[in-house]
Amino acid sequence: DSGVTQTPKHLITATGQRVTLRCSPRSGDLSVYWYQQSLDQGLQFLIQYYNGEERAKGNILERFSAQQFPDLHSELNLSSLELGDSALYFCASSVVGTSGYNEQFFGPGTRLTVL
Amino acid sequence: AQKVTQAQTEISVVEKEDVTLDCVYETRDTTYYLFWYKQPPSGELVFLIRRNSFDEQNEISGRYSWNFQKSTSSFNFTITASQVVDSAVYFCALSEARGGSEKLVFGKGTKLTVNP
Repeated sequence: DSGVTQTPKHLITATGQRVTLRCSPRSGDLSVYWYQQSLDQGLQFLIQYYNGEERAKGNILERFSAQQFPDLHSELNLSSLELGDSALYFCASSVVGTSGYNEQFFGPGTRLTVL
Repeated sequence: AQKVTQAQTEISVVEKEDVTLDCVYETRDTTYYLFWYKQPPSGELVFLIRRNSFDEQNEISGRYSWNFQKSTSSFNFTITASQVVDSAVYFCALSEARGGSEKLVFGKGTKLTVNP
């Protein structure tokens, strides 16, 4: 158990809908990362938040957005869902990215199926 | 730009065979970190090892060993005496740790099947 929790574990929805994925980082971790794992794109970095502010952005679609709240949990919002958004979405957390390297601990993932 | 290439899409071996998973990376930075993760059929990502660009010392941990060679930009992973429980998808990843972001760039993964 990494200490990172993600809810829900599974999500099935229809095209055009909007969903919210939730991530609670390990206690004390200030950074949250979101990754998408799909069959055609593999594992891709989407976005990172550090202590409530966006720190880095990857190949995140405009239909997707994220935020990190004062209690450090994060939510990834996916809207106008398409079939191709079906994927496993991982959240990871780390302490601080200022010096050296800080390990990322991955949650169990949320499997999204868009029908 | 950063890139990680895992040329082997799938490998199938018989239990007790040794198997090496290849990883080649591209980066313009002199400071970077390399990783291997394992993803068993249950789906979670399990961290296996991290190496930084200044430490080319090879490492052995039980049945696992890693060969890091900067000259060829490779970070290969060997499982000795493979077991059925080693069956999983293995990902190599790279991080440049710029600006306080340690985002990971993953390879496409190598699916390893160990048959009894």
